[in-house]
Amino acid sequence: NAGVTQTPKFQVLKTGQSMTLQCAQDMNHNSMYWYRQDPGMGLRLIYYSASEGTTDKGEVPNGYNVSRLNKREFSLRLESAAPSQTSVYFCASLRQEGFLRATNEKLFFGSGTQLSVL
Amino acid sequence: AQTVTQSQPEMSVQEAETVTLSCTYDTSESDYYLFWYKQPPSRQMILVIRQEAYKQQNATENRFSVNFQKAAKSFSLKISDSQLGDAAMYFCAYRSANYRDDKIIFGKGTRLHILP
Repeated sequence: NAGVTQTPKFQVLKTGQSMTLQCAQDMNHNSMYWYRQDPGMGLRLIYYSASEGTTDKGEVPNGYNVSRLNKREFSLRLESAAPSQTSVYFCASLRQEGFLRATNEKLFFGSGTQLSVL
Repeated sequence: AQTVTQSQPEMSVQEAETVTLSCTYDTSESDYYLFWYKQPPSRQMILVIRQEAYKQQNATENRFSVNFQKAAKSFSLKISDSQLGDAAMYFCAYRSANYRDDKIIFGKGTRLHILP
């Protein structure tokens, strides 16, 4: 199993450029997440998706858009990149087991995308 | 809105000693999940331990255990017999047990140094 696959691993953009970070999971998980990690700020939630076709804003959604076209894939788009969006971006999916109550929950993370906006 | 606070940006512990990392959270909900994740220099995220709020018993996983104080909204991680491989960033995380809400939020992290 590949788990959670993120592409690209590294990217350099100029201010104003756009790009899409791709994320795919092969574990049949319903919920997927995008986080950004900055020194001293921990992991901050950008957007998440509880199921195919649904998305919700997290803590820092401004400047980003997401798309959950199917169960496997959850992409993050920067329409007009800004230097403040320089960060490491992580995609994750959530394993949940159990019917009436989720048990054995665990987030599976991709390896991250190092994005620099000049 | 829920918040997670880790008040110790960095900590150091001597190898083989015990260390406790602090985490407090704020929520108006009564049912939720709490987690500790570890991020070594490889940047990989590893689940260390989880706790369900409705369970009074503190979770343990080998050398890792938690002190869950629901009334105080405190969820500290104790690492016993610290090893060099425990050096990492440690993140505390929260998720509501409300099936309509899959949001998972993290604290700012604590960087743990192990002194040989």
